[in-house]
Amino acid sequence: GENVEQHPSTLSVQEGDSAVIKCTYSDSASNYFPWYKQELGKGPQLIIDIRSNVGEKKDQRIAVTLNKTAKHFSLHITETQPEDSAVYFCAASKRTDFNKFYFGSGTKLNVKP
Amino acid sequence: DTEVTQTPKHLVMGMTNKKSLKCEQHMGHRAMYWYKQKAKKPPELMFVYSYEKLSINESVPSRFSPECPNSSLLNLHLHALQPEDSALYLCASSPGSQDQPQHFGDGTRLSIL
Repeated sequence: GENVEQHPSTLSVQEGDSAVIKCTYSDSASNYFPWYKQELGKGPQLIIDIRSNVGEKKDQRIAVTLNKTAKHFSLHITETQPEDSAVYFCAASKRTDFNKFYFGSGTKLNVKP
Repeated sequence: DTEVTQTPKHLVMGMTNKKSLKCEQHMGHRAMYWYKQKAKKPPELMFVYSYEKLSINESVPSRFSPECPNSSLLNLHLHALQPEDSALYLCASSPGSQDQPQHFGDGTRLSIL
């Protein structure tokens, strides 16, 4: 299978600061890595994803980096705002079994105004 | 607003009741998923339908019965549930090919009395 570990479990930052969430995976066959944001009472929403042929991807204040050698990927949020407060999940999937997403345990981000 | 619509949003049922959860998407996606999510945990895969055929059953108890009437609809039939089945049930869809995100609905909050 695949084991995805996510850290930290909770993260509290001041508005305007940066936040970084890290995930590691165990199976080198994993090649697709989405990140989801889940607000209270809502389903997970895709915020950014990265494929294994790319080392970094950016979308406005959000960026994801991937280190295939070390088998880890990270979510970077700059200039955090209170509306960034939510639970964030990383996930990994393999080309041979692409319908199965292996989720990390989640990070609760609290952005203090 | 999500593009995957789930009904009902909330459901309370007794252990002897029979009910169904419904999910609909109009993105032309060919894969649909049922997940179970407990509080403060990541989504846990239950079933995957690919091109309207059941392709993954994660050893889910038979009191949960999925159905995919067509490529846009997914149902989850519930019968004789246990209190530990109380959870948020999420539906998701994806194009059904490699390296593509799953898009989640906002879920049905199920409580078993």
